[in-house]
Amino acid sequence: EVRLVESGGGLVQPGGSLRLSCVTSGIYFSSSYMGWFRQAPGKGLEWVANIRFDGSESYYVDSVRGRFTISRDNPQNTLFLQMNSLRAEDTAVYYCARYVRGGLQYFDFWGQGTLVNVSS
Amino acid sequence: DIQLTQSPSFLSASVGDRVTITCRASQGITKFVAWYQQLPGKAPKALIYAASTLQSGVPSRFSGSGSGTEFTLTITSLQPEDFATYYCQQLESYPLTFGQGTRLDIK
Repeated sequence: EVRLVESGGGLVQPGGSLRLSCVTSGIYFSSSYMGWFRQAPGKGLEWVANIRFDGSESYYVDSVRGRFTISRDNPQNTLFLQMNSLRAEDTAVYYCARYVRGGLQYFDFWGQGTLVNVSS
Repeated sequence: DIQLTQSPSFLSASVGDRVTITCRASQGITKFVAWYQQLPGKAPKALIYAASTLQSGVPSRFSGSGSGTEFTLTITSLQPEDFATYYCQQLESYPLTFGQGTRLDIK
């Protein structure tokens, strides 16, 4: 059974930091590209960042570049999102997902999400 | 950046109906468009990838088509569990982007 389980969300003040984790099982994590998404309350989906299977390349949406860092620990089958200089507009449910490539290009398995609330 | 515009944003239909959702791109896409279904409070679920390939386990009443700048998701014979929000996503180039979503409600 495939499982992706996010954690690390919570209430944080503007300007603060949080580190999200996504523990995976049932997938070949060390050969999988991975991504983070978010969904603000009542809003649509937004892609946040992707990372290559070996961690050598990463990509970000402009609104988080320079503030967020995606990383991974392959031996621990875990994906991370370090979020610094948080803003009210970063408030959202954050999802991790596996990115299928090889001419297919889509996200097949998703976690259940973790809520980040940036508020004073 | 490739902008995606879905239409309609809201759709009211009955069980058994056929519905079509359109996703228009601001520039041409070869084939890397995916469609997702999201139930309230749940994570997105992949339905279609590469514009027209049905994800494993997804019922055959779902289908996708299109190329270039116009893509469609069609659901034939709507079932009660299909009332949800649907999103298209382009994976042609970074930043990866979504349409604004189409909420499908029961009439």
